[in-house]
Amino acid sequence: KAGVTQTPRYLIKTRGQQVTLSCSPISGHRSVSWYQQTPGQGLQFLFEYFSETQRNKGNFPGRFSGRQFSNSRSEMNVSTLELGDSALYLCASSFGQGYGYTFGSGTRLTVV
Amino acid sequence: QKEVEQDPGPLSVPEGAIVSLNCTYSNSAFQYFMWYRQYSRKGPELLMYTYSSGNKEDGRFTAQVDKSSKYISLFIRDSQPSDSATYLCAMSPSPSYTGANSKLTFGKGITLSVRP
Repeated sequence: KAGVTQTPRYLIKTRGQQVTLSCSPISGHRSVSWYQQTPGQGLQFLFEYFSETQRNKGNFPGRFSGRQFSNSRSEMNVSTLELGDSALYLCASSFGQGYGYTFGSGTRLTVV
Repeated sequence: QKEVEQDPGPLSVPEGAIVSLNCTYSNSAFQYFMWYRQYSRKGPELLMYTYSSGNKEDGRFTAQVDKSSKYISLFIRDSQPSDSATYLCAMSPSPSYTGANSKLTFGKGITLSVRP
């Protein structure tokens, strides 16, 4: 059974640019969440989608956005990149509330 | 006060030791408790998943939840060098919670090193 797939694995962008990250959840999982992981702050929740609807959102600026498609695949977009956006971005999928979340290997974004 | 506090570590133990990892939390709404293991350059891997208070055992791993004390633990018996990783506790509210009912709140993680 395929796991959660995130692309690309590594990305280097310049300040001010925008970036789109992709996540393909486990087949059958309709809930997709995004997290940012940094050494200082640890894992912080960005947002969660369920059946193409954003169900929950963390405390991140509006530059961070996401969407989910009808096949449950999800993308997140960061506009006007800042140096502080450098982090590991993790996607997690779940069968639904009350079940564990399976994480992908993440996309390591470096902003220079 | 952070919602979830985890001992910062790092922790180094000899092979075969019993390891105890702990988290405390302040949000009474948390009902689902998880432990994740994260190897370098990988995403977190779900180790244990428990609901409400009690113990759950899976092989060498035992997860313990004490809701009255707002305290959760992960015990690793007969620790192996392959257990060397960062361990993260995570928790989320019950489905009936009307607030942020879907996000996981994580501890900062503790890095464990098991020496051969």
